[in-house]
Amino acid sequence: DAKTTQPTSMDCAEGRAANLPCNHSTISGNEYVYWYRQIHSQGPQYIIHGLKNNETNEMASLIITEDRKSSTLILPHATLRDTAVYYCIVSLYNQGGKLIFGQGTELSVKP
Amino acid sequence: GAVVSQHPSWVICKSGTSVKIECRSLDFQATTMFWYRQFPKQSLMLMATSNEGSKATYEQGVEKDKFLINHASLTLSTLTVTSAHPEDSSFYICSLWTGTQPQHFGDGTRLSIL
Repeated sequence: DAKTTQPTSMDCAEGRAANLPCNHSTISGNEYVYWYRQIHSQGPQYIIHGLKNNETNEMASLIITEDRKSSTLILPHATLRDTAVYYCIVSLYNQGGKLIFGQGTELSVKP
Repeated sequence: GAVVSQHPSWVICKSGTSVKIECRSLDFQATTMFWYRQFPKQSLMLMATSNEGSKATYEQGVEKDKFLINHASLTLSTLTVTSAHPEDSSFYICSLWTGTQPQHFGDGTRLSIL
């Protein structure tokens, strides 16, 4: 599976959009981009995933660049409860399968 | 609502005892269950992949005789930490995969070995 690179930490003001970048320059054509988040002392929570088209659900939007070498997770109106570690993961499997977690981005949403 | 129930959520044991952690699927039949370990300030590390009715596949560096995994049904997998020592203290998390949905994770078990 391709390796991902994310900033270690980010801050965001409450109510503003949080844009979390992820680099996956070695991604192959059949690998998916997944985003999970982990709130302190809990198990990870699925957010969204995509292959090459942009995706949106009730939690977030996923923007994947045309060359698929990077992506951005967008939380449109961040709340204090969005404070968590966000993991960008590349995986061969659609709808899940084996996931290898990197270090993630620690997002702090501040009032 | 919760899809995966992990029990216990917190356990403290004496060194040398064995500890069993249960991971139960509440709504789905899980083709595959995964077990992860997470040390403080670190990311999740995949320990093993468990398929119902077959032996678990362990990641490199994970001792299969130390961490016994049983996946006897499509809704239950157990991880037993045998002869636990303080260095085994960690946050253990299971997840289930149905094959048609992204992985669902349990809320983890915090294991402390004295």
